Amino acid sequence: DIQMTQSPSTLSASVGDRVTIACRASQSLSTWLAWYQQKPGKAPKLLIYKTSNLESGVPSRFSGSGSGTEFTLTISSLQPDDFATYYCQQYNRYPLTFGGGTKVEIK
Amino acid sequence: QVQLQQSGPGLVKPSQTLSLTCAISGDSVSSNSAAWCWIRQSPSRGLEWLGRTYYRSKWYIDYAGSAKSRVTINPDTSKNQFSLQLNSVTPEDTAVYYCAREKDYSGMDVWGQGTTVTVSS
Repeated sequence: DIQMTQSPSTLSASVGDRVTIACRASQSLSTWLAWYQQKPGKAPKLLIYKTSNLESGVPSRFSGSGSGTEFTLTISSLQPDDFATYYCQQYNRYPLTFGGGTKVEIK
Repeated sequence: QVQLQQSGPGLVKPSQTLSLTCAISGDSVSSNSAAWCWIRQSPSRGLEWLGRTYYRSKWYIDYAGSAKSRVTINPDTSKNQFSLQLNSVTPEDTAVYYCAREKDYSGMDVWGQGTTVTVSS
């Protein structure tokens, strides 16, 4: 199975900050990577697919980049609604696997 | 608007079978451009994909290796839904279980509301 490693596991930031979350895969994914946002008690929400494609309705302050084994999710200006946990997920090879999550907390 | 509605018990006894159903509205379980997945989440295991079913001229079912021997996923075209069965459960199977739609090449864009399942006597 492909292992997905996210860093950091927790991130403290303020409203308006630029935030970057890293995701590393144990083998090349090409660009078959998605990012999800999850809030407590809710299902994950798809933000970005195929590394950099914004899901419909997702604010443009979210962006994704990378290829191969190294990927990033960037929030250009953190908003109050963005405090949540973020997960990367590969879909290059089955079984699908997720990263361990990055919790974005209020500083 | 596509919606997934989960149903099933929240408490299962050890060694018994966990059974959940995911009813689809706004799309078809027989869609040629989607797959229908089960995922679970627990503090110890994180998000764990269990398997999927999809139709491409015939039915396919894929399972994750971790629970492959105990998991069964079935489509039900008559009710436009799909189901999960997990046999011989133990307390380690305690988790929130989600169903989700996986669009071709686009990630899992629609999720059910989640079902908290506790395995306990």
